[in-house]
Amino acid sequence: AQSVTQPDIHITVSEGASLELRCNYSYGATPYLFWYVQSPGQGLQLLLKYFSGDTLVQGIKGFEAEFKRSQSSFNLRKPSVHWSDAAEYFCAVGAPGGSYIPTFGRGTSLIVHP
Amino acid sequence: DAGVIQSPRHEVTEMGQEVTLRCKPISGHDYLFWYRQTMMRGLELLIYFNNNVPIDDSGMPEDRFSAKMPNASFSTLKIQPSEPRDSAVYFCASSFSGGVSGYEQYFGPGTRLTVT
Repeated sequence: AQSVTQPDIHITVSEGASLELRCNYSYGATPYLFWYVQSPGQGLQLLLKYFSGDTLVQGIKGFEAEFKRSQSSFNLRKPSVHWSDAAEYFCAVGAPGGSYIPTFGRGTSLIVHP
Repeated sequence: DAGVIQSPRHEVTEMGQEVTLRCKPISGHDYLFWYRQTMMRGLELLIYFNNNVPIDDSGMPEDRFSAKMPNASFSTLKIQPSEPRDSAVYFCASSFSGGVSGYEQYFGPGTRLTVT
């Protein structure tokens, strides 16, 4: 079975600063990987996804993530954070050929200071 | 499409009362998921359906919880009787099993349940 770890419960950045949220997974092969964002009072929204191919994937709202097989990681990045990016971010992993059930991490809360 | 629709958005009830949460998935989606989110336990998968059939309910915490999907456009999650520890945000999500896109889940806005 797959598992995912988000080591940081909270991350605080200043507006305009760069951002990197960490995600590590455990799976015996190359998994499918996702990042979701949850704004306050909202449901989760898919930011980006990796299935295969180019290991650097672009998503919505200016986010990108890089799959690094050697490190079992799929870190989320943004070059310049906006105050509206303050939210909860979830990494998820899915097993190819499985039951379409992704495993979600515990989430990282992003706080943006003006 | 309007996205996944959940109702009510907020529910406050007294311990022992029956609570019914409702979900309308995105049209054409054949998977439907119910999740519970709390600070202590994070996001938990309670049950999921495929083509209206419950596939795995191992995440349902107790017999007090039940879920149904009478047709492709409607599902309910019922708690009877409710307890204060059931207080949480309950999400419904749906997906379409067309290749890898089946892993992309679309979430509703959630129902915030408070049991006093």
